[in-house]
Amino acid sequence: DQQVKQNSPSLSVQEGRISILNCDYTNSMFDYFLWYKKYPAEGPTFLISISSIKDKNEDGRFTVFLNKSAKHLSLHIVPSQPGDSAVYFCAASGNDMRFGAGTRLTVKP
Amino acid sequence: DTEVTQTPKHLVMGMTNKKSLKCEQHMGHRAMYWYKQKAKKPPELMFVYSYEKLSINESVPSRFSPECPNSSLLNLHLHALQPEDSALYLCASSETGGAGGPYGYTFGSGTRLTVV
Repeated sequence: DQQVKQNSPSLSVQEGRISILNCDYTNSMFDYFLWYKKYPAEGPTFLISISSIKDKNEDGRFTVFLNKSAKHLSLHIVPSQPGDSAVYFCAASGNDMRFGAGTRLTVKP
Repeated sequence: DTEVTQTPKHLVMGMTNKKSLKCEQHMGHRAMYWYKQKAKKPPELMFVYSYEKLSINESVPSRFSPECPNSSLLNLHLHALQPEDSALYLCASSETGGAGGPYGYTFGSGTRLTVV
């Protein structure tokens, strides 16, 4: 039972433009939603999170939006930079941590 | 030290071999985890060692066995693996147990395992 889904395996954007990565979940009991970033040959690193009682959290170029009624969250990166090219995992935490399959973001110069 | 260290980075083993994956953290975290990740799939939780108690995902076959010598180390012993066990094995830790709260887990860089 995959409770966290990232339906877009890949996304390509131009440098300076906005990147929007999407994630859907099925369990209303999650406490936090998190985004991790993964470069090749490295483990995932924590990027940003949002509490289930919030609808927006911003940290520099990164903003996460949570729509509880739609069970949907998104990560916005503005402006996108070539160094942002990586695989982004959405995760949801409750009693444990559940991950999506990841979206590969490519930012073209 | 804010790292989770995993060794080896790569491992090729035969189906009759016995090997171990090692994971170490010195952040004083109270919980450690093993995840298995296949290509284009989400990481799947295998084991949790939290506050000196081991929790096992019941779908994990017995050819994988975790060992926690102390609160900083979590090893994964491998025996009689199958080719379908080839995957990236990720170790992680968190300051508290459960799902790690708003800061989630700190991951190691993983061990790429190939079973031949």
